Amino acid sequence: QQQVKQSPQSLIVQKGGIPIINCAYENTAFDYFPWYQQFPGKGPALLIAIRPDVSEKKEGRFTISFNKSAKQFSLHIMDSQPGDSATYFCAALSLKAGGFKTIFGAGTRLFVKA
Amino acid sequence: DTEVTQTPKHLVMGMTNKKSLKCEQHMGHRAMYWYKQKAKKPPELMFVYSYEKLSINESVPSRFSPECPNSSLLNLHLHALQPEDSALYLCASSHRPGGGNEQFFGPGTRLTVL
Repeated sequence: QQQVKQSPQSLIVQKGGIPIINCAYENTAFDYFPWYQQFPGKGPALLIAIRPDVSEKKEGRFTISFNKSAKQFSLHIMDSQPGDSATYFCAALSLKAGGFKTIFGAGTRLFVKA
Repeated sequence: DTEVTQTPKHLVMGMTNKKSLKCEQHMGHRAMYWYKQKAKKPPELMFVYSYEKLSINESVPSRFSPECPNSSLLNLHLHALQPEDSALYLCASSHRPGGGNEQFFGPGTRLTVL
């Protein structure tokens, strides 16, 4: 119940395409859902985050869609660029429970072809 | 200063060695974290310090010993490690325990145990 399932494991798109990464969770105690971007040799960096009372959030070219009833959320990258090539992790945590433990998805390795 | 720094960048040690990893942040964050990340895997939480006190130990073997000397510093003391402990060790901090705000990650220390 603590898991966050992420798919696909890897993704290749052409420049300008819209890669979509999907995540699903079971624990209804989760109330904060961040996405992290990690480049090789670097630590993860927060990209965008959403709470379950919001169905969509946009920040620049990144959009999160959230379906509370299905317990699913996804990341869309508009007009993807080669510089977006990285590993993306969805995550979930419960702020009500103290928010100490972030549960990460398995990660999606994105490659954007020039 | 919105940076978490970690030293050293790389560390090679034998199974009988004692070494320490260091992490520093000057953002005034009161929660600090140690994560372990194996190749192509998500970060795994090891320890959480909240207001310089150990709040979470995720059943980490005693050969890993964390220390938080003050609100800006976090150490991880290593002793009698095993080859399977080779990984990227990430430090992170957040404004308050669990965030809900951004969790800032350092670049990590790449540890190799021979």
